[in-house]
Amino acid sequence: SQQGEEDPQALSIQEGENATMNCSYKTSINNLQWYRQNSGRGLVHLILIRSNEREKHSGRLRVTLDTSKKSSSLLITASRAADTASYFCATGGMAGGTSYGKLTFGQGTILTVHP
Amino acid sequence: IAGITQAPTSQILAAGRRMTLRCTQDMRHNAMYWYRQDLGLGLRLIHYSNTAGTTGKGEVPDGYSVSRANTDDFPLTLASAVPSQTSVYFCASSPDARVGQETQYFGPGTRLLVL
Repeated sequence: SQQGEEDPQALSIQEGENATMNCSYKTSINNLQWYRQNSGRGLVHLILIRSNEREKHSGRLRVTLDTSKKSSSLLITASRAADTASYFCATGGMAGGTSYGKLTFGQGTILTVHP
Repeated sequence: IAGITQAPTSQILAAGRRMTLRCTQDMRHNAMYWYRQDLGLGLRLIHYSNTAGTTGKGEVPDGYSVSRANTDDFPLTLASAVPSQTSVYFCASSPDARVGQETQYFGPGTRLLVL
């Protein structure tokens, strides 16, 4: 069963606009990560946020985590055509649990940025 | 530095045949993983290895086996392929399965079609 569910499934925007993708999960986590996948390629790690963190930035990326709502969001500001890709959230399990050391991925959001 | 390599890039396989997907990393990472990616289902963990000499079952292990004889290699074997194993297979590694080193690095994938 999938731990993470992402919303929306697909997002289409113009260059320069901001893109927001959301991820919800079901069980307690150690960390939440976001990955990017260009068509036909492997996944690339973008950012990791731990369960005791609320917000994290990396360049044009901003990630928030609300553990009370079991949700996270990824914001890409001033999007570019090169940001077109699929974006996945992945949750890392708690220490001592069966999912510790492993990631559970959501189904992904397909982002298309039009020039 | 190659990172993670996978072979073959793609394969068409007759049902019932045996197939080994190869994965090699040169980053001296302790942990390695095999995922399958299917449309609408995201990535699902097949098997994992936290360190050389140990392996574990993921979410969808049936029909697959792995071995971890050394740090660098983590082959995935389909003993008798079935059409439902048609998928894109990704190998990944992380420095360690423990807290602080959970970011995963992905290979380019193997596209497998079982007829």
